[in-house]
Amino acid sequence: EIVMTQTPLSSPVTLGQPASISCRSSQSLLHRDGNTYLSWLQQRPGQPPRLLIYKISNRFSGVPDRFSGSGAGTDFTLKISRVEAEDVGVYYCMQATQFPPYTFGQGTKLEIK
Amino acid sequence: QVQLQQSGPGLVKPSQTLSLTCAISGDSVSSSSAAWNWIRQSPLRGLEWLGRTYYRSKWYNDYAVSVKSRISINPDTSKNQFSLQLNSVTHEDTAVYYCVRVVVRIGPAAIHAFDMWGQGTMVTVSS
Repeated sequence: EIVMTQTPLSSPVTLGQPASISCRSSQSLLHRDGNTYLSWLQQRPGQPPRLLIYKISNRFSGVPDRFSGSGAGTDFTLKISRVEAEDVGVYYCMQATQFPPYTFGQGTKLEIK
Repeated sequence: QVQLQQSGPGLVKPSQTLSLTCAISGDSVSSSSAAWNWIRQSPLRGLEWLGRTYYRSKWYNDYAVSVKSRISINPDTSKNQFSLQLNSVTHEDTAVYYCVRVVVRIGPAAIHAFDMWGQGTMVTVSS
């Protein structure tokens, strides 16, 4: 089973400033088909998770372009260029390269200073 | 637009069976480009994938090792929905349960992304 580790676990950010979350996998997420199935999810308070990014860097429908993803192999990053109030919540990375099972990071709580 | 609507009891007694249903609108449980999953979330375990069902000329299931002996996920094509049954529950099964669609591909491109989530059901195991 692939273990996903996120840092930091908590990130206080000033409105309008950038934010960055790291995710590391215990094994390479490069699939034999050449794709890397690493996604980022956002969970706002009281809501189910929502897909933000898939395959490292592809923004899902309706996701603002201030969100971007990067990385390769075992190291990945989610960046928010300018944090807005609606971005408060918990962010999760997850992998779908080696399954079952799908596995998730432990979450990073983004809060406003 | 795809929507997943969950239903089922929020309170289950220890040793009994947890049963939840997820009704699908805007897609088909028999879709060849999707898989239908159950995931739970608790403070102790975080997000935990439980299992999935999907159709590729025939029905397949995969289950997490941690619940494999107690879980069953079944499609119902007549109602376009799928269900979760978790037997012999204990307090450790207390969690928010989500049904989730994984879109496997869009056109020729493989995606494997959890793109649609149900609203969640808080299930408490207590006598």
